[in-house]
Amino acid sequence: ETGVTQSPTHLIKTRGQQVTLRCSSQSGHNTVSWYQQALGQGPQFIFQYYREEENGRGNFPPRFSGLQFPNYSSELNVNALELDDSALYLCASSLGGAFSYEQYFGPGTRLTVT
Amino acid sequence: TQLLEQSPQFLSIQEGENLTVYCNSSSVFSSLQWYRQEPGEGPVLLVTVVTGGEVKKLKRLTFQFGDARKDSSLHITAAQPGDTGLYLCAGLGGADSGGSNYKLTFGKGTLLTVNP
Repeated sequence: ETGVTQSPTHLIKTRGQQVTLRCSSQSGHNTVSWYQQALGQGPQFIFQYYREEENGRGNFPPRFSGLQFPNYSSELNVNALELDDSALYLCASSLGGAFSYEQYFGPGTRLTVT
Repeated sequence: TQLLEQSPQFLSIQEGENLTVYCNSSSVFSSLQWYRQEPGEGPVLLVTVVTGGEVKKLKRLTFQFGDARKDSSLHITAAQPGDTGLYLCAGLGGADSGGSNYKLTFGKGTLLTVNP
């Protein structure tokens, strides 16, 4: 069984640029959630995708967008990067529905915006 | 806005000592989870508690969910250096989730250091 993988591991971008982060869910999982974890903070929910549809969103502006593909992998896109977007971006996969409480996290992508 | 308050924020102890960390909220959650996160890695799920008053044990770790499902505690007996990490509690669902169980709300975590 393959766990959750994320790419890239680290990324450095300049303010105003755009970035795409990728996540492959655990085998058999159809739900992917994205979280932002700033230094010294707990993860904050960005949004969740279930069977290719957005299934809930946290308090993040529209420049944070996502996609889920038929194989349930997912992308997080951030436009017009700001310095405060520097953080660890985590994705978590789950079975969805009644089992969505069991979320399995990937190692994260460390984004630095300069 | 639902908040989970964790205490203490930092804890440094010697190997063999016992410790308890707390997670408190003014909101009711449908379930509450504890994770451990090590530097450079994602959080790893330790346990999920669902029923008010529930107690779960995982080797030297004991987790308790409050009767009102608003608070939880994690007790570690005879801590070891391998227990070092950031302990996060997270609530699932709750009052402002529109009745949905999809959203995990995390506390800021307790950073535990166990010295040999």
